[in-house]
Amino acid sequence: ETGVTQTPRHLVMGMTNKKSLKCEQHLGHNAMYWYKQSAKKPLELMFVYSLEERVENNSVPSRFSPECPNSSHLFLHLHTLQPEDSALYLCASSQGLISNEKLFFGSGTQLSVL
Amino acid sequence: GQSLEQPSEVTAVEGAIVQINCTYQTSGFYGLSWYQQHDGGAPTFLSYNALDGLEETGRFSSFLSRSDSYGYLLLQELQMKDSASYFCAAPGAYGQNFVFGPGTRLSVLP
Repeated sequence: ETGVTQTPRHLVMGMTNKKSLKCEQHLGHNAMYWYKQSAKKPLELMFVYSLEERVENNSVPSRFSPECPNSSHLFLHLHTLQPEDSALYLCASSQGLISNEKLFFGSGTQLSVL
Repeated sequence: GQSLEQPSEVTAVEGAIVQINCTYQTSGFYGLSWYQQHDGGAPTFLSYNALDGLEETGRFSSFLSRSDSYGYLLLQELQMKDSASYFCAAPGAYGQNFVFGPGTRLSVLP
């Protein structure tokens, strides 16, 4: 148990659906992240939030929309996804944004887009 | 931009020692981290090197040479449970937005 919980664990959706991924951290951290992990590719950073403010957006398509209502919760809203968006989506948190921070990851949501 | 390179696969036997290398190119370097990920699991933090030299944590050690833009993770007394993927990672600009290497899949054989 890493202290970071993601739901759902698995999600299958059609290209016209709208769904949301949820992440909750119980560690009292101030920074939260969304990463995408595709087969045979490195983890790709999507979004970074610090104290509920977005500080990084790595040219992610607008069909992915993050939301951070407070420092413990992070959402990723999905709409009109493409099959190539099928991947494992990982949430992570850290105490802050300095370079030696450990990232604590959730177990991820395995997303399949049909 | 940043990029990190690692071997894609390494195989070793129980009780052996294995070294997983990571070379990096970054526009500003703050340190090198290592993470372990078992199949179906979350990546978990193993170590962080900000300065040159060896950091030891039990059976795992991590080394960094900033002049060579190179680091490695050393796993000793391998156990079956060490079979996993191992990622090196470097913080990006301003020390944030960690960039990960492609990962090395370690298989430990009996």
